[in-house]
Amino acid sequence: DTGVSQDPRHKITKRGQNVTFRCDPISEHNRLYWYRQTLGQGPEFLTYFQNEAQLEKSRLLSDRFSAERPKGSFSTLEIQRTEQGDSAMYLCASSLGSGQGSNEQFFGPGTRLTVL
Amino acid sequence: QQPVQSPQAVILREGEDAVINCSSSKALYSVHWYRQKHGEAPIFLMILLKGGEQKGHDKISASFNEKKQQSSLYLTASQLSYSGTYFCGTEKTSGSRLTFGEGTQLTVNP
Repeated sequence: DTGVSQDPRHKITKRGQNVTFRCDPISEHNRLYWYRQTLGQGPEFLTYFQNEAQLEKSRLLSDRFSAERPKGSFSTLEIQRTEQGDSAMYLCASSLGSGQGSNEQFFGPGTRLTVL
Repeated sequence: QQPVQSPQAVILREGEDAVINCSSSKALYSVHWYRQKHGEAPIFLMILLKGGEQKGHDKISASFNEKKQQSSLYLTASQLSYSGTYFCGTEKTSGSRLTFGEGTQLTVNP
């Protein structure tokens, strides 16, 4: 257990439905990252936050995806009008984000999304 | 740009050594190494900052050659528990996103 938690762990939905995932980072960590991973591939960056500010979004992220971190603590990732291609493991990671030195990123257990 | 990992897969007998390489065409701030078992999240192993340092704990160590933008992960006297997929993640500036390689699948047999 890295201290990063995600909920739910599994989500099965029908195409066209909206889904929302939650991530709770390690409490003193300022940076929170979302990645997506498909079978046989490394994690792919989606977006990240410094406290409540969203600093970067991947160009691969369509406008169906939105993420928030309203109080600089937990974060939510919403996917609207899900498509079968959205089926993947969604991983959250957090780091101290000190801006210098080493910034180890610790991953949560992930949310596995299956779109039927 | 995605770093290139080699080899793609390696099979060892318990007690043998292995080296996994990670190369980038871009200047890097750091390289992170993770191990992932099937169906589980990546587990952080170590981070190498630019400056050519080498790190290690237990029988796993790594190096980072800043001039070549290459990192290598060394696993010595492998154990069954070392089996999994190893990913390198590269970082361009401190605290920025990680860009992961495609992974190296390591299998350790008794």
